[in-house]
Amino acid sequence: DTAVSQTPKYLVTQMGNDKSIKCEQNLGHDTMYWYKQDSKKFLKIMFSYNNKELIINETVPNRFSPKSPDKAHLNLHINSLELGDSAVYFCASSQVGGRAVELFFGEGSRLTVL
Amino acid sequence: GNSVTQMEGPVTLSEEAFLTINCTYTATGYPSLFWYVQYPGEGLQLLLKATKADDKGSNKGFEATYRKETTSFHLEKGSVQVSDSAVYFCALSGSAGRRALTFGSGTRLQVQP
Repeated sequence: DTAVSQTPKYLVTQMGNDKSIKCEQNLGHDTMYWYKQDSKKFLKIMFSYNNKELIINETVPNRFSPKSPDKAHLNLHINSLELGDSAVYFCASSQVGGRAVELFFGEGSRLTVL
Repeated sequence: GNSVTQMEGPVTLSEEAFLTINCTYTATGYPSLFWYVQYPGEGLQLLLKATKADDKGSNKGFEATYRKETTSFHLEKGSVQVSDSAVYFCALSGSAGRRALTFGSGTRLQVQP
């Protein structure tokens, strides 16, 4: 059973289109995240939700809109896609409590904008 | 704000060589420190962690010691294998109100037989 699963794994689309990436975790965690990994492997936090409430919203264009229908799901919708949005997007989850909060990552969704 | 600096890669070693990947950090308060590993085509996996000064995290032959005086968390392994080829990320978690991890830029390790 995959702990954190993302779909689709690969997404190729044209500039200007709108697309969504879905994420589900079956670990019972209360916090979920979206990270963006660029071509140089640099990872940057985009959003974080705790029990469906947005708690981290980094400087991300408002074309990106996360939605958390319940604490096991965190979807990412992107409007008007641009070339610079091409990246691998990782979903992750964690459980609050303790000092060393371990994140569990999905396998990533590679988005290519043509 | 919080930041993590890692040595640039790629690091290329022969099998059974000694590995060190340097990591230093800047943070307010007392962060927890992590090493994550990303194998080709996969997501990140936790390799080891340390929550306070002088703690040593270890796993699969890898070790790292939380050094507050030098703000460092260098990753070491005594004898690398081809299967250790991956990208390694140093990360920290800051204050309780911000649970997301801040990652370094990653260091690619290539181990040759």
